[in-house]
Amino acid sequence: DVKVTQSSRYLVKRTGEKVFLECVQDMDHENMFWYRQDPGLGLRLIYFSYDVKMKEKGDIPEGYSVSREKKERFSLILESASTNQTSMYLCASSLLRQGGIYGYTFGSGTRLTVV
Amino acid sequence: AQTVTQSQPEMSVQEAETVTLSCTYDTSESNYYLFWYKQPPSRQMILVIRQEAYKQQNATENRFSVNFQKAAKSFSLKISDSQLGDTAMYFCAFMKMLGGGSEKLVFGKGTKLTVNP
Repeated sequence: DVKVTQSSRYLVKRTGEKVFLECVQDMDHENMFWYRQDPGLGLRLIYFSYDVKMKEKGDIPEGYSVSREKKERFSLILESASTNQTSMYLCASSLLRQGGIYGYTFGSGTRLTVV
Repeated sequence: AQTVTQSQPEMSVQEAETVTLSCTYDTSESNYYLFWYKQPPSRQMILVIRQEAYKQQNATENRFSVNFQKAAKSFSLKISDSQLGDTAMYFCAFMKMLGGGSEKLVFGKGTKLTVNP
């Protein structure tokens, strides 16, 4: 069974901490995505990557960075966590040029609380 | 910019009945893909159904079907014979093609569907 695995289901961090959210996929997908999900706002794209060491800004990249050193792993980094980054974070992946056919495969999400 | 609008924040339906979730989108592109995703309380996003814009025939997956009106930019989801397990958030999404063979999904704000026994 193919999977996108997010390392933590729940996470509580303090304001100002550097936070790493990890995502690993075992499907040899080229594309990987980080979304943020908030009630009433749906899912908003933070960053995405279509190849190793490549990254592109999504719609709300401010306050975030990403790292993709290996094809299967895509990390989201909060350089200095703030309370307005309390949210659900979803990772997804897709095959290059096949997203329209197969859609995205999503992880189960990490609910991050910044206190 | 592409936008996706789901005008019904919440809906409810009785078990075994039919319900329709609305979605409209805005784009100037001629070829694109549309999706409905389901997110149950377990949080796992599940692809329900997809539609290619150049296909006039409405997509169907078992109890789930869509009414795709390209000129009106409308993409509604019909769930027949609703089951308790259909209780979930439903997101409509538009796929925008980018350079380099990549693409991104733009989501609506979601509709919370509750199926009552």
